[in-house]
Amino acid sequence: DTEVTQTPKHLVMGMTNKKSLKCEQHMGHRAMYWYKQKAKKPPELMFVYSYEKLSINESVPSRFSPECPNSSLLNLHLHALQPEDSALYLCASSRDSYTGELFFGEGSRLTVL
Amino acid sequence: AQSVTQLGSHVSVSEGALVLLRCNYSSSVPPYLFWYVQYPNQGLQLLLKYTTGATLVKGINGFEAEFKKSETSFHLTKPSAHMSDAAEYFCSVSDYQGGKLIFGQGTELSVKP
Repeated sequence: DTEVTQTPKHLVMGMTNKKSLKCEQHMGHRAMYWYKQKAKKPPELMFVYSYEKLSINESVPSRFSPECPNSSLLNLHLHALQPEDSALYLCASSRDSYTGELFFGEGSRLTVL
Repeated sequence: AQSVTQLGSHVSVSEGALVLLRCNYSSSVPPYLFWYVQYPNQGLQLLLKYTTGATLVKGINGFEAEFKKSETSFHLTKPSAHMSDAAEYFCSVSDYQGGKLIFGQGTELSVKP
């Protein structure tokens, strides 16, 4: 199994809603990532979890809250988002947090109204 | 600090023609270099990587890249373009700091019949 699975694929939410994005991998990888990607732009790193501990937070606003319940799962909790947060949110995993060989999911396309 | 520059935000080739996507990097340490491909409405997929050893690396779908330290380049090539190669291509370098990948701005490849 070499897949990273993200749900939901599409999400529309209002600015007062609370929602979550989910990511799962069963490759035994010990690093997991959240990226944000705007159209025609490269992915921007948001968070890195290494061995289930948050190791990098790229100064992301607190309305985005990551969670790593176990080594296979990664969540991104969303609350009080702004329309400019609309983007493709990509989850990725890697064997460790040093090699740079990432496996990406297909992403969750978020629209904030 | 590491950085990546992709020359040309858009490249158009005819089917069967040579594909050449240019990437130059800046790194204060021996780099780990990657090419990722992103098809429309999908996540990123690793095409190939250079870590150490042989400077000509082969990847999936007939792509290859050559690491040239003297030119600080890692250009991506494919001898004969196929319609299915139309996608966005990202060159990236690992910065060794706990999982951060530095991406170039991307090159959109179009293939004309």
